[in-house]
Amino acid sequence: AQKVTQAQTEISVVEKEDVTLDCVYETRDTTYYLFWYKQPPSGELVFLIRRNSFDEQNEISGRYSWNFQKSTSSFNFTITASQVVDSAVYFCALSEQEGGNTPLVFGKGTRLSVIA
Amino acid sequence: KAGVTQTPRYLIKTRGQQVTLSCSPISGHRSVSWYQQTPGQGLQFLFEYFSETQRNKGNFPGRFSGRQFSNSRSEMNVSTLELGDSALYLCASSLGSNRLYEQYFGPGTRLTVT
Repeated sequence: AQKVTQAQTEISVVEKEDVTLDCVYETRDTTYYLFWYKQPPSGELVFLIRRNSFDEQNEISGRYSWNFQKSTSSFNFTITASQVVDSAVYFCALSEQEGGNTPLVFGKGTRLSVIA
Repeated sequence: KAGVTQTPRYLIKTRGQQVTLSCSPISGHRSVSWYQQTPGQGLQFLFEYFSETQRNKGNFPGRFSGRQFSNSRSEMNVSTLELGDSALYLCASSLGSNRLYEQYFGPGTRLTVT
């Protein structure tokens, strides 16, 4: 069965600090997708990134970067030089492709507070 | 391009009542998924519809049902409401049900059952 674990429930950092959000997943499928979403106080989930299981290249998008390591079943998310606007709940999610793309399974989320 | 809209945004119901929530996907999107978000259980998948057909269903009791119309708009219904049904209900739309397509989420409907 698929499972996503975000061990960090809450993180608090001072503005301009770097912060890494951890995500560990479990799946028996060899083909799967991993996602990160941001949920600001407004409640709407905002898509950040999708990665398929065959692409282990790290990705950088502005201040955001993602580190995907199949060997440790991890897909960690780093925010560099954090800003107050980064304060939100961040969710990691997994979808297996077996059987035609299973629904997203989300981790419990990590609440990030960036203090000015 | 308008985003995913959900109505109503807030709802208060009494135990035993039923409720219908609506979701209008982004124009051109044919897949709609519903999720329930609670502090205790987090985000849990309810169902997914594509071209008016239910493609997937989560592990929820039969009191939870949904449908999709020919214009891709979707509704979900919860009958005989229980206190535990209090949650944020999120709808997401995408071009197709393949996970290569990005899912866009609406702002959600916050349901409170008293």
